[in-house]
Amino acid sequence: AQKVTQAQTEISVVEKEDVTLDCVYETRDTTYYLFWYKQPPSGELVFLIRRNSFDEQNEISGRYSWNFQKSTSSFNFTITASQVVDSAVYFCALSEAGDYKLSFGAGTTVTVRA
Amino acid sequence: GAVVSQHPSRVICKSGTSVKIECRSLDFQATTMFWYRQFPKQSLMLMATSNEGSKATYEQGVEKDKFLINHASLTLSTLTVTSAHPEDSSFYICSASRDADGYTFGSGTRLTVV
Repeated sequence: AQKVTQAQTEISVVEKEDVTLDCVYETRDTTYYLFWYKQPPSGELVFLIRRNSFDEQNEISGRYSWNFQKSTSSFNFTITASQVVDSAVYFCALSEAGDYKLSFGAGTTVTVRA
Repeated sequence: GAVVSQHPSRVICKSGTSVKIECRSLDFQATTMFWYRQFPKQSLMLMATSNEGSKATYEQGVEKDKFLINHASLTLSTLTVTSAHPEDSSFYICSASRDADGYTFGSGTRLTVV
């Protein structure tokens, strides 16, 4: 069963628009960790954020913000005032405390047009 | 911060030959290393999990005799693609972890089998 669902395959926006990427996860563990990674065309994975299941506080880092809601099993990611350099594939991922494996969602391709 | 070095970054090999990919944690001891495969426009799929000094655990559908994983030390894991065929062409990426809430990824290896 898929543990992480990113329903949006592709999103295209014009520069300076905000873009929100959805992530819904599924787990029976009470202790788990959620991640967001950025994968630019070069291929390397860039770590953006880690959140544990006991910390529902939303976070803002520059133009990036994350909304974690356990009630809906969602961990959404918003890029404010998007820039062309934000164009990449973004992955949401989950690991469970009892299992070191990191399960990735299908990814969302974000294209920011000038 | 934690750094994982992966080599080579690109490799082209002839069909039927074997290719070895190295993954090294440079400044920490990795309890567990993971190998992922990513086909174009797809997500990262976990191939296997390896712990130092023990046999790797392969995911369902991954041929262990074709994808040989050796985790000889706490800082080095290797993936050998044996008798490579064009369908093995893919992006391979490793990850090293000390615990379930932290993963450091290598920069990936793009394998092309001709």
